[in-house]
Amino acid sequence: SYVLTQPPSVSVAPGKTATINCGGPNVGGKSVQWYQQKPGQAPALVIYTDSDRPSGIPDRFSASNSGNTATLTIRRVEAGDEADYYCQVWDRDTDLVVFGGGTKLTVL
Amino acid sequence: QVQLQESGPGLVKPSETLSLNCTVSGFFISAGFYWGWIRQPPGKGPEWIGSIYHSGTTNYSPSLKSRLTMSIDTSSNQFSLILHSVTAADTAVYYCARNTHPVYYFDRWGQGTLVTVSS
Repeated sequence: SYVLTQPPSVSVAPGKTATINCGGPNVGGKSVQWYQQKPGQAPALVIYTDSDRPSGIPDRFSASNSGNTATLTIRRVEAGDEADYYCQVWDRDTDLVVFGGGTKLTVL
Repeated sequence: QVQLQESGPGLVKPSETLSLNCTVSGFFISAGFYWGWIRQPPGKGPEWIGSIYHSGTTNYSPSLKSRLTMSIDTSSNQFSLILHSVTAADTAVYYCARNTHPVYYFDRWGQGTLVTVSS
């Protein structure tokens, strides 16, 4: 089965840039989504189809996907960005959905 | 505004059947989209369970397929999950979500409901 690997944690100072990676074999050939989950809440979509932002998501959030790594970038990090972030792919070959293990973003 | 709400028992005994409903408001489920279930064990990442289209077409996770049945009722704007022969490993927060297609992602989620499997 397809596995997505994320670092367990990332720390960043307010105002700086956070980068969260999501690794998987040829993930660049798949569609990647990113979700933000705050404690006690459901995950919320922040990026879809590799780099598109849903309405209401600030342009501080961006993403890319190539080769074996997809990347979520959060610029000018704010305290309110502290959350768990999950990547998710849809594998068109198997029509299956896989989530990464998640990365806890800590704002110092 | 699309809203989803899960409902069902919070406690299920081992070997028994877990049944959950999801009621959708603000959007007709017959209007398109797939509708999915995702679960999240305590302290772990989400796990996709399966998805269903308004026609009844289903797509299940291979790891749960043998125990899983999903159904949809467009007249009541609800869809449902049945998971048989549960064990402690099925303890999780269960979410229902709107599921885009053909690229699967989940753009609207319910608040989730905790289901504990214990005697």
